[in-house]
Amino acid sequence: DVVMTQSPLSLPVTLGQPASFSCRSSQGLVYSDGITYLNWFQQRPGQSPRRLIYKVSNRDSGVPDRFSGSGSGTNFTLKISRVEAEDVGFYYCMQGTHWPLTFGGGTKVEIK
Amino acid sequence: EVQLVESGGGLVQPGGSLRLSCTASGFTFSTYNMNWVRQAPGKGLEWVSYISGGSSGSPIIYYADSVKGRFTISRDNAKNSLFLQMNSLRAEDTAVYYCARDRQLSYWGQGTLVTVSS
Repeated sequence: DVVMTQSPLSLPVTLGQPASFSCRSSQGLVYSDGITYLNWFQQRPGQSPRRLIYKVSNRDSGVPDRFSGSGSGTNFTLKISRVEAEDVGFYYCMQGTHWPLTFGGGTKVEIK
Repeated sequence: EVQLVESGGGLVQPGGSLRLSCTASGFTFSTYNMNWVRQAPGKGLEWVSYISGGSSGSPIIYYADSVKGRFTISRDNAKNSLFLQMNSLRAEDTAVYYCARDRQLSYWGQGTLVTVSS
């Protein structure tokens, strides 16, 4: 199975400041169609997960442009340009290239 | 608007069975691949099972090793519904179960809680 490793486990941030999370995969995520199926999900307290970013860097509809995804190969990053209070929660990366689908352990974002 | 609504969760004893349902609306359900994903209390996300969409032949189905042989995924396209039959339930199956659309999990339901306990 592809192991997804996220860091840090917890990220205290100051409102208005940037934040960055890392996700590493144990093997490459390029599918046979040439696309890298790396997705990011946000889970606010008490809510279901919501996809923010798909195929490494594409924002889902309604996702603020302060969220951005980047990366290639086995290293990927999610960035928030200016953290807002509503960004508190867990962030998970997930690979959709290989079976079984696998998630990272998550990064918890909290306000300092 | 895409909506996924899970139901069927509850308290069940170890070794028991439960059938979860997910009713979809706002998109052409039959053409989409569907998944079940679970989240144990205070833990992260774990993919459980996948069933392909489309109209040709038998669907492609995958299971996580942790549920293989005990859980069965199915769908009824006429009723826009996805199911998960869970047998031989164990304490470690206790979780909120979500249905999610397509292989990249673009939309999720609100989840249904399954508690396996005596």
